Parts: sequence; structure tokens; C-alpha cells
Amino acid sequence: GAVVSQHPSWVICKSGTSVKIECRSLDFQATTMFWYRQFPKQSLMLMATSNEGSKATYEQGVEKDKFLINHASLTLSTLTVTSAHPEDSSFYICSARDWNTGELFFGEGSRLTVL
Amino acid sequence: QKEVEQDPGPLSVPEGAIVSLNCTYSNSAFQYFMWYRQYSRKGPELLMYTYSSGNKEDGRFTAQVDKSSKYISLFIRDSQPSDSATYLCAMSAFNAGGTSYGKLTFGQGTILTVHP
Repeated sequence: GAVVSQHPSWVICKSGTSVKIECRSLDFQATTMFWYRQFPKQSLMLMATSNEGSKATYEQGVEKDKFLINHASLTLSTLTVTSAHPEDSSFYICSARDWNTGELFFGEGSRLTVL
Repeated sequence: QKEVEQDPGPLSVPEGAIVSLNCTYSNSAFQYFMWYRQYSRKGPELLMYTYSSGNKEDGRFTAQVDKSSKYISLFIRDSQPSDSATYLCAMSAFNAGGTSYGKLTFGQGTILTVHP
């Protein structure tokens, strides 16, 4: 079956540093990828929609200058948390849409802890 | 008011029990309804996918959608300890052919424990 890989699965960083999370579709091309954030015991909240070759669309309340999204190829989208702070600590999950079938697949998530 | 409401539980049942999970929603535009299962520290995996109102059965799982009441349910028969996870309902207003397909609104998730 289709697989969406996220890397790293777990990262700890110091406050003020930037962290990049990758989302890759391993056996299909994804024109659209989605980035979600999930706080403990909370639901997944959509942060942004990433379309290959164009600017990401951010949900209301999500700072685009803080959460930089790049979707430079049909199999890779990256989320960079810039100048991370402890309140950015969360579980970040991406999903990718197979451009042939329209099916949606989720990654395993990346847990960010900012000290 | 949240667009999607889901009782977070936790819900604890004995092995073999029938589990009923449900969500209510307020957005009439939602047409596509999904149930995801999420194990601890993992990404969600799709269990059931339903379009509009009606029932859908897959093995021990049955999904029901009542658009008139804006209410969806997931039933798990003969529950097993391996079913212990968080169950999330999710909804979308856009179809698979639309460019916005995949933009989901999730419920909070219900934590389920099935004990032997």
C-alpha cells in the first residue's frame, strides 16, 4: 500500500532554533499535501494546505512566517518551524493526496519538543 | 461551537463488547465522513469512509451517517484488546475530484480501551 514517510519522527531542540520536518510520498505522486498539528489529547488541527509548485494556503490563526512550508516536488513537502518556542511543542502530521486516485494517506507524525 | 463534536471518553469496555462511537457536526456542507484509528504516537489510519447518509459495513466495523440529524456513528462488534486506540471522526465538504479534497475537519477523538 501507499506510504507517507515523515522525518524526523522525533526531535528535541532548544528554544529559538529552527526545525525542519519532511513529508515524503514513497510510491505515489502528491500534488497536494496537508500539515496538521495535534496537541496531547486534542484533535488534529489543519495548519496549511501545500500544493506542489505554489505557495501554501494557511488556515486562520497560523503564522505563515513561523511555519514555512515548501512543496518543491511531487513527492516532498517540508515544514520548517522557525524560532521554535516551547508552545510549539506538538505532534505534527502530514497527509498526502495521491494525484492519480485522489486517495489520502497520513504520515506517522513527527513529535517536536522545544526546551 | 466546534464544527465537529466528539466525546473524548475515555471509554473502557470488556473484550467482546459492542462499542458505539459517535460525532455530531454543524456544517451542512459536509458530505464525506471518515473514521480514523490512531494508536499512541502514531499517525491516523483510515478505517471507514462514507459518502452522504447511510450505512457501510466492513468486517466488525459499521459506519452510519444521518445527515438529517448531523450525526455519525461507528460500531465495533466483538471488540478486541487490539482495538484499543483513539478513534477520530473526520469530515470533508469536498469530493475526490475537487482540488481541495483532503482538507478534513476532525473531531477530538475518543480514547477506547478494550480489556481482556
